[in-house]
Amino acid sequence: KAGVTQTPRYLIKTRGQQVTLSCSPISGHRSVSWYQQTPGQGLQFLFEYFSETQRNKGNFPGRFSGRQFSNSRSEMNVSTLELGDSALYLCASSLDQGIEQYFGPGTRLTVT
Amino acid sequence: AQKITQTQPGMFVQEKEAVTLDCTYDTSDQSYGLFWYKQPSSGEMIFLIYQGSYDEQNATEGRYSLNFQKARKSTNLVISASQLGDSAMYFCARRNTGFQKLVFGTGTRLLVSP
Repeated sequence: KAGVTQTPRYLIKTRGQQVTLSCSPISGHRSVSWYQQTPGQGLQFLFEYFSETQRNKGNFPGRFSGRQFSNSRSEMNVSTLELGDSALYLCASSLDQGIEQYFGPGTRLTVT
Repeated sequence: AQKITQTQPGMFVQEKEAVTLDCTYDTSDQSYGLFWYKQPSSGEMIFLIYQGSYDEQNATEGRYSLNFQKARKSTNLVISASQLGDSAMYFCARRNTGFQKLVFGTGTRLLVSP
């Protein structure tokens, strides 16, 4: 069974630009969650999507948004990038109410 | 905020020895799950072990076991017979039942020496 895939793996953007990250969950998983990991703030929950609906949202500004498609693939978008958005963005998928969340390798975003 | 506390920023252990990584949590909920994840330098989070708040027995998974003390709100990870490949960051996390959102601690960096 293929694991969670995230693209791209690495990204360099300039302040003020926008970026879209993609996550393909494990086949059959309909829940996709996104996390941001920074040295200063640690691992923080961004949002969770299930069956194309945002089910839960973390405490991030509106510049951070996401969506989920009918095939459960998910994208997250960050508009008007700031230097502080430099982070490892992790995506995790799970069965609905499943115990284990399977994480992807992450996308490392650098904002200059 | 319902916090997860890992007080050990770094731990050192020799190969083949056991090591305990500490984790305490703060919650007012009755039903929740506790998780430990390993993050090697590659960045991917690897699930290690899970303990439900209503589980009466401590969870075990191979060389990993939990010392779960519900009244003290602690769930310490015990790694037996450490291996060089165990060198990584270890994160404790909590999730309320019915939700997928994980709340993570700050992590402990484990270094296993030969």
